[in-house]
Amino acid sequence: DIQITQSPSSLSASVGDRVTITCRASQSISSFLNWYQQKPGKAPKLLIYGASSLQSGVPSRFSGSVSGTDFTLTITSLQPEDFATYYCQQSYSNTRTFGQGTKVEI
Amino acid sequence: QVQLQESGPGLVKPSQTLSLTCVVSGGSISSGSYFWSWIRQPAGKGLEWLGRIYTSGNANYNPSLESRVTISLDTSKNQFSLKLSSVTAADTAVYYCARDSSSLPGWYFDYWGQGTLVTVSS
Repeated sequence: DIQITQSPSSLSASVGDRVTITCRASQSISSFLNWYQQKPGKAPKLLIYGASSLQSGVPSRFSGSVSGTDFTLTITSLQPEDFATYYCQQSYSNTRTFGQGTKVEI
Repeated sequence: QVQLQESGPGLVKPSQTLSLTCVVSGGSISSGSYFWSWIRQPAGKGLEWLGRIYTSGNANYNPSLESRVTISLDTSKNQFSLKLSSVTAADTAVYYCARDSSSLPGWYFDYWGQGTLVTVSS
């Protein structure tokens, strides 16, 4: 199976901060990496697909990038509604796998 | 607007089989190139993909659970189902159904159910 290592597991930030979250794949997965946001008691919400494509309706302060097997989610100017847990997920393999999650706290 | 809704018992006894159904509305489950997946999340933990079924009825599963998982499709009712056998307390989780869609350059879960909590306990 393709392993995804996500870091950090949690971070503290303030409104207006720039936040970056990283996922590293255990092998090449091209651009087959997605990002989700999950708030307590809710289902995950798709933010970014194909490493850097913004899902319709998602604010442009969210962006994704890739360098080799390293993937980055960036939130520029963190907003109050962005405090949540973020997950990456690979879709290269028929066995889908998620990162461990990053909790963004105030 | 596609919507997914899980249903099933909230309490299952150890060693029994967990059975859940996901009803899809706002679109036909048999049209388009979609996979229909089950994903679970134990309380306070991360997401685990269990398996998926294609519109053709072909399914594939997480190797770690493959011997216990079965996913099936009922196009007449526009729904798909999950069966997980020989459950233990470790299977206690919120279970989500989700649509796995494709748009270059990849696949992604674009629609999710609200999730249903299943507790394994005697």
